[in-house]
Amino acid sequence: DAGVIQSPRHEVTEMGQEVTLRCKPISGHDYLFWYRQTMMRGLELLIYFNNNVPIDDSGMPEDRFSAKMPNASFSTLKIQPSEPRDSAVYFCASSLRLGKGGTQYFGPGTRLLVL
Amino acid sequence: AQSVAQPEDQVNVAEGNPLTVKCTYSVSGNPYLFWYVQYPNRGLQFLLKYITGDNLVKGSYGFEAEFNKSQTSFHLKKPSALVSDSALYFCAVRETGNTPLVFGKGTRLSVIA
Repeated sequence: DAGVIQSPRHEVTEMGQEVTLRCKPISGHDYLFWYRQTMMRGLELLIYFNNNVPIDDSGMPEDRFSAKMPNASFSTLKIQPSEPRDSAVYFCASSLRLGKGGTQYFGPGTRLLVL
Repeated sequence: AQSVAQPEDQVNVAEGNPLTVKCTYSVSGNPYLFWYVQYPNRGLQFLLKYITGDNLVKGSYGFEAEFNKSQTSFHLKKPSALVSDSALYFCAVRETGNTPLVFGKGTRLSVIA
């Protein structure tokens, strides 16, 4: 299996621009997660999906952030408009299940820099 | 609410010496505990997990962790550190069945040759 795939790996944009991050989970995994990692705040859960349905988006920082999962093999995280404080590494992860020992597998991340 | 604490931001150890990365947790029920490692410019990689059974859990790359219920701890250990073990280590916990993992802030391990 190729693991969780994220694109792009690096993104540099200017403040006010729209940014779209993409994720392909491991085939057959029912859960998909979006995390953000910064030096100040560590690893934060933004939103997660089960069977393409958003379950908890309480970690999404502002209305500028939105996430979709149109099908079982694709998800996007969109920031519109972007701001310098959105600069971070964004990780996507997937899991076959959550119960007890369900392991979350992470993608390589997208490093976002907003100028 | 479930939470996990990693009391050390940084751990330094000489190559060949044993290493310990500390983790304590807080849950109201039975914990399910995980360790992940993050190498520079990479995603988090799963190392090992404790669900039930033997308190000593063995994982990838020679790492092991010991679950201690009385001390609410799940410290990561390795008998002999390698320079290549230098990375950021995350402890994570899940309490209820169908919730995402809650991660600690991470501990940076530096193994010096």
